[in-house]
Amino acid sequence: DTEVTQTPKHLVMGMTNKKSLKCEQHMGHRAMYWYKQKAKKPPELMFVYSYEKLSINESVPSRFSPECPNSSLLNLHLHALQPEDSALYLCASSQDGPVGATNEKLFFGSGTQLSVL
Amino acid sequence: DAKTTQPPSMDCAEGRAANLPCNHSTISGNEYVYWYRQIHSQGPQYIIHGLKNNETNEMASLIITEDRKSSTLILPHATLRDTAVYYCIVRVNFGNEKLTFGTGTRLTIIP
Repeated sequence: DTEVTQTPKHLVMGMTNKKSLKCEQHMGHRAMYWYKQKAKKPPELMFVYSYEKLSINESVPSRFSPECPNSSLLNLHLHALQPEDSALYLCASSQDGPVGATNEKLFFGSGTQLSVL
Repeated sequence: DAKTTQPPSMDCAEGRAANLPCNHSTISGNEYVYWYRQIHSQGPQYIIHGLKNNETNEMASLIITEDRKSSTLILPHATLRDTAVYYCIVRVNFGNEKLTFGTGTRLTIIP
């Protein structure tokens, strides 16, 4: 199983709503990532978790709250979003091997297309 | 601060080899060259990576110049399904080091 599964595939929410995006992998990977991608732009890194601990936060606004409840799951909790937060949200995972590992490729899910009204 | 430079777009005839260039003149000794692609409405997909030797897998070949300042991704027999945005990325190759995307090359395969 080399899949990263993201749910839901599409989400429409109002600015006062609270919603969550979910990501799951069963490859035994210990690093998980959230990226945000606006239309016709490259993906931008938001958060990195390593061994279930937040290791990188790219100065993301607090209305985005990541959570890694276990090594297979990654959530992104959304609250009080703005219309400009509408984007494709991508989850990825990688092995997170030791220093010197030669095969640290990322596996991406298909994303959640989020629209904030 | 982009570490790589790629042409914004390229066309290639179906069945021909697609050669996608990438400049990474400031690459460090411990940074690998990675290539990913993103087909419309999908997440990015890993293609290949290398340090200094040329690499080949079932998807593509990667040619890295001796000074490591540039590389070329080669899709040997392009098909319509290879139409995508191709990203060249330099990255240290351990742990949870961030993968930072540049603007990429939009490759269109022409029937």
